[in-house]
Amino acid sequence: KQEVTQIPAALSVPEGENLVLNCSFTDSAIYNLQWFRQDPGKGLTSLLLIQSSQREQTSGRLNASLDKSSGRSTLYIAASQPGDSATYLCAVLSYNTDKLIFGTGTRLQVFP
Amino acid sequence: EAQVTQNPRYLITVTGKKLTVTCSQNMNHEYMSWYRQDPGLGLRQIYYSMNVEVTDKGDVPEGYKVSRKEKRNFPLILESPSPNQTSLYFCATRVGVSGANVLTFGAGSRLTVL
Repeated sequence: KQEVTQIPAALSVPEGENLVLNCSFTDSAIYNLQWFRQDPGKGLTSLLLIQSSQREQTSGRLNASLDKSSGRSTLYIAASQPGDSATYLCAVLSYNTDKLIFGTGTRLQVFP
Repeated sequence: EAQVTQNPRYLITVTGKKLTVTCSQNMNHEYMSWYRQDPGLGLRQIYYSMNVEVTDKGDVPEGYKVSRKEKRNFPLILESPSPNQTSLYFCATRVGVSGANVLTFGAGSRLTVL
């Protein structure tokens, strides 16, 4: 059974720092991996989607990498800003199923 | 504007009183799904639908029903709510059935069952 873990559960950093959020999964037979952002009281917003054949995806200050063989993904946020404060979730789509399995998220606070 | 609209956004009810949470999308997406989010457990899928009149159980379907009579709507029905169904619920959609496509989420519905 696929399990997705995110460490740390919470992170607080000063503005301007580069930071890395981690996601690990137990079954490497995945279709893709997605990173989402969740703001308080709001739904999830998709940030990046990495197909199983890809190693990384970039969008602005965000870079997500995928190492399928080791069951790991990282979300790199460059030059963090207070507006980046949110909960970040990763989710994997296991091969041959149609179910996204979510991690429990990393709650990020960027203070001025 | 592409939207996934959930109603109500907040609801407090009592055990056993039937309720429906509606989900409507204006993107003509085939795939729709319901999730619940609980502290420490993350998001778990309740039910999903690949297209009209096609619904399937997710990981935690007990106590819930859904229907997909038309493409744009996918209501979540709690016939006899219980306190363990107190949660934050999300509807999500995507174009097609391929997992390669991005999910679009509604804003969430916070349900409290007393």
